[in-house]
Amino acid sequence: DAMVIQNPRYQVTQFGKPVTLSCSQTLNHNVMYWYQQKSSQAPKLLFHYYDKDFNNEADTPDNFQSRRPNTSFCFLDIRSPGLGDAAMYLCATSREGQGFRTDTQYFGPGTRLTVL
Amino acid sequence: AQKITQTQPGMFVQEKEAVTLDCTYDTSDPSYGLFWYKQPSSGEMIFLIYQGSYDQQNATEGRYSLNFQKARKSANLVISASQLGDSAMYFCAMREDNQGGKLIFGQGTELSVKP
Repeated sequence: DAMVIQNPRYQVTQFGKPVTLSCSQTLNHNVMYWYQQKSSQAPKLLFHYYDKDFNNEADTPDNFQSRRPNTSFCFLDIRSPGLGDAAMYLCATSREGQGFRTDTQYFGPGTRLTVL
Repeated sequence: AQKITQTQPGMFVQEKEAVTLDCTYDTSDPSYGLFWYKQPSSGEMIFLIYQGSYDQQNATEGRYSLNFQKARKSANLVISASQLGDSAMYFCAMREDNQGGKLIFGQGTELSVKP
């Protein structure tokens, strides 16, 4: 089945130690998103890639970076995690462009990040 | 101002009964989409149903239907014949076409289905 995969499902890191979360997709979607969801809150968009174009949300801290080496993979890098960065990180994909239904985002299972 | 409002933090429903989860939205963009997602305790966001602002009919997907009242800016989710597996957090979300693909989520409603 076509899907969005996130690894690892659970990640524990130490305060200030860089961490990378990964997302891959077999849907061949051209847009990939990263959301942060803190406990009991709604998901919040951090940034997204439209094809190779990176789009950062205005209030996303500089501590968060992303890479998209090819259509299928996208990475979230947290350069110096703080205690406040503990959250669920959700990757989503959609297909955008002329002729496609430019609507539905499909989510991966998420990576739950703990910062010690 | 909140763009998406879900006024029910928690809801209970008896198994096999129908339940309505409320969602109201605020936008000046004439072209937008409304979504409902289910998030079980495992954390994955599962797409349930979509309604476009220009759609004439209410969306339905199996046991899920969306009661779209454009003039009132409401997009309530109706789940018919509730099942125990429906217990989860439900999020209403909106995409404004002049804002690209960004989804704005409501705060969610936690649904508990009682046997």
